Amino acid sequence: NAGVTQTPKFRILKIGQSMTLQCTQDMNHNYMYWYRQDPGMGLKLIYYSVGAGITDKGEVPNGYNVSRSTTEDFPLRLELAAPSQTSVYFCASSYAHGSETQYFGPGTRLLVL
Amino acid sequence: QKEVEQDPGPLSVPEGAIVSLNCTYSNSAFQYFMWYRQYSRKGPELLMYTYSSGNKEDGRFTAQVDKSSKYISLFIRDSQPSDSATYLCAMTLSNTGNQFYFGTGTSLTVIP
Repeated sequence: NAGVTQTPKFRILKIGQSMTLQCTQDMNHNYMYWYRQDPGMGLKLIYYSVGAGITDKGEVPNGYNVSRSTTEDFPLRLELAAPSQTSVYFCASSYAHGSETQYFGPGTRLLVL
Repeated sequence: QKEVEQDPGPLSVPEGAIVSLNCTYSNSAFQYFMWYRQYSRKGPELLMYTYSSGNKEDGRFTAQVDKSSKYISLFIRDSQPSDSATYLCAMTLSNTGNQFYFGTGTSLTVIP
């Protein structure tokens, strides 16, 4: 099992550009999450999904969009990149129940200039 | 007030020392408590998981939860250089998995 994979590893965007951060898991988990991690701020939940076709907002959803068409994939879309979106983005997945364990991907470092 | 407070450190200890990492929280409804370890430029990985109050031991690691004080701790015995990482506490209201609350992380360096 590859677990949770994320692409790209690193990206530089100009203000106003758009991009999609890819996330795939091969553990057949129903729950998937997107977090951002800023220095000294911990992990903040952006969006999460409880299954294909079902998504919901987390703590900091503004400026982002998600979709979940399959169990495996949970892409995160930035439509109009802003410097405030410079961060490290982590995707995670977990079982629907007994979900104390979230499995994290390696992260995508995004720099918006 | 933040939901979860964690001293960011950094914490530097000699090899073999006992390390104590702590978090406090404000929501008395939290039931599930976790510690994640995050190596530099990697994603967090689950280290310990505890339900409600009490202690849980796994090798050199012990997790404690004191719900009356809204305080959780992670103890590392006989610390090793490989323990050098950032440790994040996390907690959730239930095991439905839809909202985890993370601390900011404590950076630990174990000096050989």
